[in-house]
Amino acid sequence: AQSVTQLDSQVPVFEEAPVELRCNYSSSVSVYLFWYVQYPNQGLQLLLKYLSGSTLVESINGFEAEFNKSQTSFHLRKPSVHISDTAEYFCAVSALSGGSYIPTFGRGTSLIVHP
Amino acid sequence: EAGVTQFPSHSVIEKGQTVTLRCDPISGHDNLYWYRRVMGKEIKFLLHFVKESKQDESGMPNNRFLAERTGGTYSTLKVQPAELEDSGVYFCASSQDLGHSTIYFGEGSWLTVV
Repeated sequence: AQSVTQLDSQVPVFEEAPVELRCNYSSSVSVYLFWYVQYPNQGLQLLLKYLSGSTLVESINGFEAEFNKSQTSFHLRKPSVHISDTAEYFCAVSALSGGSYIPTFGRGTSLIVHP
Repeated sequence: EAGVTQFPSHSVIEKGQTVTLRCDPISGHDNLYWYRRVMGKEIKFLLHFVKESKQDESGMPNNRFLAERTGGTYSTLKVQPAELEDSGVYFCASSQDLGHSTIYFGEGSWLTVV
């Protein structure tokens, strides 16, 4: 079974500052990694994912995450945040189990961007 | 194309009552998932349908929860009788195939049991 740890429940930052949301996972098999975002009053949306290949993956709105196998991490970063990035971010891992891939989620990190 | 839709968006019921949540997946998606998030905690997997069959229901908390997907289209999740600890957000999601295809989530059904 796999698990996900998001150590920070809340991350407050000022607009235009860089941010890193941490995610560590544990799994005994190869995994796929995801970051989902939930904006206020909306559902979960896929932000980016790592399946294979380059360990650095990017989203269309400037976020990036790097898969680090040795450290079992998939931290999410953005060099300069906007007010509109205020949302809750969920890291998820999926691995083959019982013939299917079911994502396991972390507790979420609430990113609060201040003007 | 319509996304995953869930109904109701919010529900407040008394302890002991019954609530039925409905999920309409994206058309053509055979895989349907239910997840739940209790306030401040992780989003926990409840169960997974492939068409009308329950592929994995290991996350269902107890026998007060009953999920169905008759005909392999929409799904319902019934809680009967509801308890206080059932409060939370129930997310439905769907995907086209197994493996690492993108899973699309609905906006969630917020359940409050008082």
